[in-house]
Amino acid sequence: DQQVKQNSPSLSVQEGRISILNCDYTNSMFDYFLWYKKYPAEGPTFLISISSIKDKNEDGRFTVFLNKSAKHLSLHIVPSQPGDSAVYFCAAPTSQGGKLIFGQGTELSVKP
Amino acid sequence: KAGVTQTPRYLIKTRGQQVTLSCSPISGHRSVSWYQQTPGQGLQFLFEYFSETQRNKGNFPGRFSGRQFSNSRSEMNVSTLELGDSALYLCASSLGYRGTADTQYFGPGTRLTVL
Repeated sequence: DQQVKQNSPSLSVQEGRISILNCDYTNSMFDYFLWYKKYPAEGPTFLISISSIKDKNEDGRFTVFLNKSAKHLSLHIVPSQPGDSAVYFCAAPTSQGGKLIFGQGTELSVKP
Repeated sequence: KAGVTQTPRYLIKTRGQQVTLSCSPISGHRSVSWYQQTPGQGLQFLFEYFSETQRNKGNFPGRFSGRQFSNSRSEMNVSTLELGDSALYLCASSLGYRGTADTQYFGPGTRLTVL
């Protein structure tokens, strides 16, 4: 039962353009979402989060949008830079906390 | 503030052996969660410790165990290693609020290879 889904395994974007990474979820009890960036053989790095009481949260070049009715969130990176090339995971904690459910990840490649 | 640290970074073991991995959380964080990352299964939750007590447990066999000390440092142990236990083991720490709005910060991971 995949409660958090990232249906695009990979995405390629030109430097300077917008990267849009998508994530869908099935559990309507989720009320907090996080995005992590991960390089191979390293731990995930926290990027940005959003609470279900908001529909948008922005931090520098990163903006996360949440559409609760569609159970969909997206991460926008503007402008994209080659250093953004990594695997991006969306995640949601269960109601007990302490346990994150992760999507499968989307590998972003930003080409110069 | 120092981040989450994990030791060792790399381990090679043979089938049947056991292994202990260590995690030091961010200062002031009381919750430590462990995850396993494999190419086929992605990031899977193992267990969470808070105030020296296991608070949450994932769907892994009893060969996987852990503990937390009074200073919030945590260890996980895998006994009777199998080839399929080869993975990146990640530790994450957080303040430990009940409920959901509690961000977890990850360490660099321990790469375990079982031969």
